[in-house]
Amino acid sequence: NAGVTQTPKFRILKIGQSMTLQCAQDMNHNYMYWYRQDPGMGLKLIYYSVGAGITDKGEVPNGYNVSRSTTEDFPLRLELAAPSQTSVYFCASRSSGGPIQETQYFGPGTRLLVL
Amino acid sequence: QQPVQSPQAVILREGEDAVINCSSSKALYSVHWYRQKHGEAPVFLMILLKGGEQKGHEKISASFNEKKQQSSLYLTASQLSYSGTYFCGTPEPPSGTYKYIFGTGTRLKVLA
Repeated sequence: NAGVTQTPKFRILKIGQSMTLQCAQDMNHNYMYWYRQDPGMGLKLIYYSVGAGITDKGEVPNGYNVSRSTTEDFPLRLELAAPSQTSVYFCASRSSGGPIQETQYFGPGTRLLVL
Repeated sequence: QQPVQSPQAVILREGEDAVINCSSSKALYSVHWYRQKHGEAPVFLMILLKGGEQKGHEKISASFNEKKQQSSLYLTASQLSYSGTYFCGTPEPPSGTYKYIFGTGTRLKVLA
């Protein structure tokens, strides 16, 4: 199993540009999450999904959009990039069920720099 | 509101012990602990369940006191490999939705 994969690993955007961060998992997990981590800071939840076709906002959703058309994929769309969106973006997934299944499995992250 | 961890940062010499605390203003039903090394993704260490269970991983153990709404991570005889940032995490709220939040983080540096 590849686990959770993310592409690209690193990207530089100009202010106002748009891009899609890709996330895929091969563990058949229902729940997927997008977090951002600013330098030296903790993880903030952007969006999450509990299954194909179902998404919801987290703590910091402004400036982002998501879609979940399949169980495997959960792309994050940045529209009109701003310097405040410079961060490391992590995708995570977990299976459904009890507390044991709530453990999150993370992808390697995408480093985004907006200039 | 995210759980608050203390201390924010700690520096140890190899072989010393440390305790990291995670306190929530809301009821906790389970707590997960993760370690994140610099430039890498967080990695799951252990889960603590309601009932005061104590779990262990290598020389790292943890406790969970649901009445006090807090969990503590104990690092014994620290090794250089323990350096990193430690996060507690918990479902938020405990039931009804599937959000998940992380604590504020504790940076741990182990020196030779």
